[in-house]
Amino acid sequence: RKEVEQDPGPFNVPEGATVAFNCTYSNSASQSFFWYRQDCRKEPKLLMSVYSSGNEDGRFTAQLNRASQYISLLIRDSKLSDSATYLCVVNGNAGNMLTFGGGTRLMVKP
Amino acid sequence: DGGITQSPKYLFRKEGQNVTLSCEQNLNHDAMYWYRQDPGQGLRLIYYSQIVNDFQKGDIAEGYSVSREKKESFPLTVTSAQKNPTAFYLCASSPSGGQGYTFGSGTRLTVV
Repeated sequence: RKEVEQDPGPFNVPEGATVAFNCTYSNSASQSFFWYRQDCRKEPKLLMSVYSSGNEDGRFTAQLNRASQYISLLIRDSKLSDSATYLCVVNGNAGNMLTFGGGTRLMVKP
Repeated sequence: DGGITQSPKYLFRKEGQNVTLSCEQNLNHDAMYWYRQDPGQGLRLIYYSQIVNDFQKGDIAEGYSVSREKKESFPLTVTSAQKNPTAFYLCASSPSGGQGYTFGSGTRLTVV
């Protein structure tokens, strides 16, 4: 079983739609959780951290369910510019080491 | 502005050659990492270093070597022993304490 699992997609949605991604992780001792965004042929960039109480940043909402060991990302009112791959990231066993999921590809269509 | 710089952006290697990818950061981060990404795939950890003069193998270290003589620098050498080196190589750094990584813009290596 992979340490961090994501549905690779692609998720094809129209502009203005709401889309949600889920991610599961295997290490119950994980303490830090993140969503990164990666554009085609570019480096990943931090989208947002994920906090236990859930957190929102504009159109983006992240939630954490420790009991079930999954993390979600909700994007409201999708824009064409949201088209990218979204990486679920969890800290692993050794301090600040991060483990990356394989990514979920989102394509927003006009 | 602080950041992490990788060079070159594109690199072509002949069969049997060793090549070195540069990674420099001025963020005063303790930890640095090298990842490899193949088309349509996730990131795989090659090597990481938590402190100067110390580094550890990641999941796919065979055919690669690193050094960490300075806090700011973590070069990666792709040796001739790496049979399939064509990939996108990403360097990252982080402060201690479980915070997120900052990535460089990557080096795209192609074997010709």
